[in-house]
Amino acid sequence: DAMVIQNPRYQVTQFGKPVTLSCSQTLNHNVMYWYQQKSSQAPKLLFHYYDKDFNNEADTPDNFQSRRPNTSFCFLDIRSPGLGDAAMYLCATSREAGHLYEQYFGPGTRLTVT
Amino acid sequence: GESVGLHLPTLSVQEGDNSIINCAYSNSASDYFIWYKQESGKGPQFIIDIRSNMDKRQGQRVTVLLNKTVKHLSLQIAATQPGDSAVYFCAENQDEDSNYQLIWGAGTKLIIKP
Repeated sequence: DAMVIQNPRYQVTQFGKPVTLSCSQTLNHNVMYWYQQKSSQAPKLLFHYYDKDFNNEADTPDNFQSRRPNTSFCFLDIRSPGLGDAAMYLCATSREAGHLYEQYFGPGTRLTVT
Repeated sequence: GESVGLHLPTLSVQEGDNSIINCAYSNSASDYFIWYKQESGKGPQFIIDIRSNMDKRQGQRVTVLLNKTVKHLSLQIAATQPGDSAVYFCAENQDEDSNYQLIWGAGTKLIIKP
């Protein structure tokens, strides 16, 4: 089945130790998104790619970076994780940009920072 | 500021009864609304959407109602089942300058009583 896949599902990292989260999609969608979701809160958009065009949200910390080497894969790099970065990280895709295109979410990676 | 919000953080419903989850929005120019269901440990899943030129839209066991006069959105789930237990988010997609940005409500946790 076509889907959005995130690996790993659970990630533990140490304070200050760089970590990379992965997302892949078999939907061949042009747009990929990374969201951060903390407990009992709504997802918060960090950034998105339209094809190779990177778009950063204004309030996304510099500690968060992203790479999209090809259509199928997108990575979230956290350069120096702090305790406040512990959260669920959700990857999503949409076929095209624009407000009428449904976003398809992956299962998320839960990040723990020790 | 512009926002989408929910009235109730938790809703308990008897199995078999109908559930109604409410959402308020503040931007009268918003033209597209989406309901997502998020089960524990999973990413949000699209349920149903509605455009502002409609008042009602029905899916399988779900109905979304849009009242533009009072800027109110609701999700009705008929014959609620245990599998409906989840957090439900309404989201607003404002085109114009924020094609990609979903403005999320706070979420309502639906609990099904046996």
